Amino acid sequence: DIQMTQSPSSLSTSVGDRVTITCRASHSISTYLNWYQQKPGKAPKLLIYAASTLQSGVPSRFTGSGSGTDFTLTVSSLQPEDFATYYCQQSHSAPYTFGQGTKLE
Amino acid sequence: EAQLVESGGGLVQPGGSLRLSCVGSGFTFSNYWMSWVRQAPGKGLEWVANIKGDESEQYSLDSVKGRFTFSRDNAKSSLYLQMNSLRAEDTAVYYCARLPNVFGTYNFDIWGQGTTVVVS
Repeated sequence: DIQMTQSPSSLSTSVGDRVTITCRASHSISTYLNWYQQKPGKAPKLLIYAASTLQSGVPSRFTGSGSGTDFTLTVSSLQPEDFATYYCQQSHSAPYTFGQGTKLE
Repeated sequence: EAQLVESGGGLVQPGGSLRLSCVGSGFTFSNYWMSWVRQAPGKGLEWVANIKGDESEQYSLDSVKGRFTFSRDNAKSSLYLQMNSLRAEDTAVYYCARLPNVFGTYNFDIWGQGTTVVVS
């Protein structure tokens, strides 16, 4: 199975900050990497797929990059509605594993 | 607008059974792989299974093989998860999600609101 490791697990941050979350895969997954945002009590929301493609309707302050084993999600200027937990997920091969999550506080 | 709505969650004793349902609307259900993803209380997301549109392929988490059965009825735009021999560690919110193939990559683009299963 491919293990996904996110860092940090939590991040204390402020409105307007530039935030970067990293995700590392235990094996190369090319660009089969997706990012999700989840708010308490809600279903996850797809932000970025195929490592760097912004999902329709997602603000352009979210960007994704990387390939192989190392990936990043960047929020250029954090907005109040961005305080949430973020997950990476690989779709290279089953089981489709998720990272453990990064909570922005 | 594409939507997914789950139902069927509840409280069940260890060793018991439960059947979850997920109904899709606003898209051609049979054209898509569909998935189940769960989230234990206070924990992260865990993929459970994928099932192809025509049911010709499916993949599932090792820890649920032999206990969980996955099926769909495209005529009813519905996805099902039959859970048997339930364990405390199966306690979670269960989400169904659509899994489109976008230029050879897959992602969970539409999610249901989730249904809660408590095994106790």
